Amino acid sequence: IVMTQTPLSSPVTLGQPASISCRSSQSLVHSDGNTYLSWLHQRPGQPPRLLIYKISNRFSGVPDRFSGSGAGTDFTLKISRVEAEDVGIYYCMQGTQFPVFGGGTKVEIK
Amino acid sequence: QMQLVQSGAEVKKTGSSVKVSCKGSGNTFTYRHLHWVRQAPGQAFEWMGWITPFNGNTNYAQKFQDRVTITRDRSLSTAYMELSSLRSEDTAMYYCVGDGFDNWGQGTLVPVSS
Repeated sequence: IVMTQTPLSSPVTLGQPASISCRSSQSLVHSDGNTYLSWLHQRPGQPPRLLIYKISNRFSGVPDRFSGSGAGTDFTLKISRVEAEDVGIYYCMQGTQFPVFGGGTKVEIK
Repeated sequence: QMQLVQSGAEVKKTGSSVKVSCKGSGNTFTYRHLHWVRQAPGQAFEWMGWITPFNGNTNYAQKFQDRVTITRDRSLSTAYMELSSLRSEDTAMYYCVGDGFDNWGQGTLVPVSS
C-alpha cells in the first residue's frame, strides 16, 4: 500500500481553516469492517502524537478543531481554525495491513 | 498511560550493528504489539516490524527482513531492536511505538558513518 498526501506544504493564516488529503493505493477497509486510517502530528524535535484514529475518532485530549473524514481510499484531515501550536508536519498512516505512512504535509503560519 | 523509554544515542560505523532498547514503565508489558519505526533526517516514517510481548512472535517489513531482529525480555518489560550490517542510509531516529500508535518512545538517534 502506498499513502500519498497533498499538499506537501500548507501555509495558513491563524484562525483560518486548513485541510490535508491522504489517498491510499488500495482500500483500507479491513476484513473486520474497520478502516485503520490515522493522523499524527509531529513538532520539530519531538516524536509524533496521535490525533485521529479509524478515520474520524479524536484521540484523548485532542481539540475538537481537528476532524477526520473519508472512506475507502480517500481521507481528509481538517483543522477548523489553525492555532500557532498546530504548526508542524502531519502524517496519515494506515494500519489495515502492515503500517505505512504518508510522506507528510508541513503546516506553517503565513 | 504506560511510558516507553528508549536507550540513548549511539554512533556507529558502517558494517556494524546497533541494538536499541525500549522499556515500558509499570509492572506489565501489556501491548498486543510493540512496533519499531524509523525516521531518516527530513524523511517520513518507515515501519520496521513488531513484536508481540506476550509470546515473542515477530513480524518484519520485507525491506528489513534480513537485517533486523526484535526481541523482548518480559521480566524487564523491555523490547529490543537490533539492526545489522549498518550503512549510511540507516542514519535515523528509531522509535518504539505502542499498538494504536498512541504512545511513542522518545526516540534513539543512530548516526552511521564510515
